[in-house]
Amino acid sequence: TVMTQSPLSLPVTPGEPASMSCRSSQSLLHSNGYNYLDWYLQKPGQSPQLLIYLASNRTSGVPGRFSGSGSGTDFTLKISRVEAVDVGVYYCMQSLHTPLTFGGGTKVEIK
Amino acid sequence: QVQLLQSGPGLVKPSQTLSLTCVVSGDSVSTHSAAWNWFRQSPSRGLEWLGRTYYRSKWFYDYTPSLMGRITVNADASRNQFSLSLTSVTPEDTAVYYCVREGSIPIPKTIYDYYFMDVWGKGTTVTVSS
Repeated sequence: TVMTQSPLSLPVTPGEPASMSCRSSQSLLHSNGYNYLDWYLQKPGQSPQLLIYLASNRTSGVPGRFSGSGSGTDFTLKISRVEAVDVGVYYCMQSLHTPLTFGGGTKVEIK
Repeated sequence: QVQLLQSGPGLVKPSQTLSLTCVVSGDSVSTHSAAWNWFRQSPSRGLEWLGRTYYRSKWFYDYTPSLMGRITVNADASRNQFSLSLTSVTPEDTAVYYCVREGSIPIPKTIYDYYFMDVWGKGTTVTVSS
């Protein structure tokens, strides 16, 4: 399953919103009604960390300014008000089909 | 708190075998509620899932098709660790390698559990070069 993210780079002003897209070549909707799509953030020099699972559920400790949405093949990650600590590369990953696959990432940087 | 401590050589010669180990603390590799994965990351290939093992009354293994025949993921319950072996390496196998726990939660109002990559090792940079 090919995952395609856009944009490649996203310069943002602190306090402003940000939005990024993830598209899959196959539907990620399981028969149980949930989408098997996660979002990860890799901060500079760190390992990736889980932000969102099942397309729209924030993992423990993730601030409320992060939200995930979408279904089937089109997904979106939004940051309502970007903070300096949010810089890094955001990856979507699908886990419905093996092999598990990632998008190429969206790099968020502060203007 | 679950932690993963990776170890292994940072330099491997072409055609040799890359071997990495990941020691688990705070959980058991034999748990029925997690799986144990290896990923790698390189500028040319991005983030790539390599394979995993998990225990459900017996050990199971999944591998990415592109590495079938070269990759082995094993777990050692007595040492609470799991390992990656990649044979016949080439410079294309140069990457940062991560061991990762795939934890699980029940999906509400279903019979299913959902698995996600919730704990990552710090990564090991492996260079394939003579």
